[in-house]
Amino acid sequence: DTAVSQTPKYLVTQMGNDKSIKCEQNLGHDTMYWYKQDSKKFLKIMFSYNNKELIINETVPNRFSPKSPDKAHLNLHINSLELGDSAVYFCASSQDGSTEAFFGQGTRLTVV
Amino acid sequence: SQQGEEDPQALSIQEGENATMNCSYKTSINNLQWYRQNSGRGLVHLILIRSNEREKHSGRLRVTLDTSKKSSSLLITASRAADTASYFCAYGRSSNTGKLIFGQGTTLQVKP
Repeated sequence: DTAVSQTPKYLVTQMGNDKSIKCEQNLGHDTMYWYKQDSKKFLKIMFSYNNKELIINETVPNRFSPKSPDKAHLNLHINSLELGDSAVYFCASSQDGSTEAFFGQGTRLTVV
Repeated sequence: SQQGEEDPQALSIQEGENATMNCSYKTSINNLQWYRQNSGRGLVHLILIRSNEREKHSGRLRVTLDTSKKSSSLLITASRAADTASYFCAYGRSSNTGKLIFGQGTTLQVKP
């Protein structure tokens, strides 16, 4: 059973398009996250939700909009995609703020 | 920048040798974690060490934490070819948000 699953795994799209990445966790965790990993493997947090409420928004352009319909899901919608958005996006979850995070397999987004 | 720093950036050893990776950070922390990332995959949690702990073991892994020097090390003993991966340290400052700040990673190659 996959603990944190995100879809799609690969996403190739043109500049200006709008796309969504879905994430689901079956661990019963209260907190979910989106991280972005750039081409140099640098990982940076984008958003964090706790029980459907946004608790971290790290200076992310407002073209990125997370949505958490329930605490098991945290989707990421991106409007007007730009070349610089190309990266690997990871969803993660944790039981609370002081325990380990479980990561999904990542979504490799390529904007052409 | 709050980003953690890891040293070395790349490490190549023979199977059976030990591998040591170091991580430094700049602020007070709640906990420090180590993750492994195989090529093209998500991150897998290895060990979490809390700020009041000095050393932790898990199988062939040993992690130390020196809060006075703001540094941590990960030792992998008797390395195997399957240990080839990128290793990241990540620290959490707050037990409330679960936000992790990652180092840039150490790429480990274990030659059979």
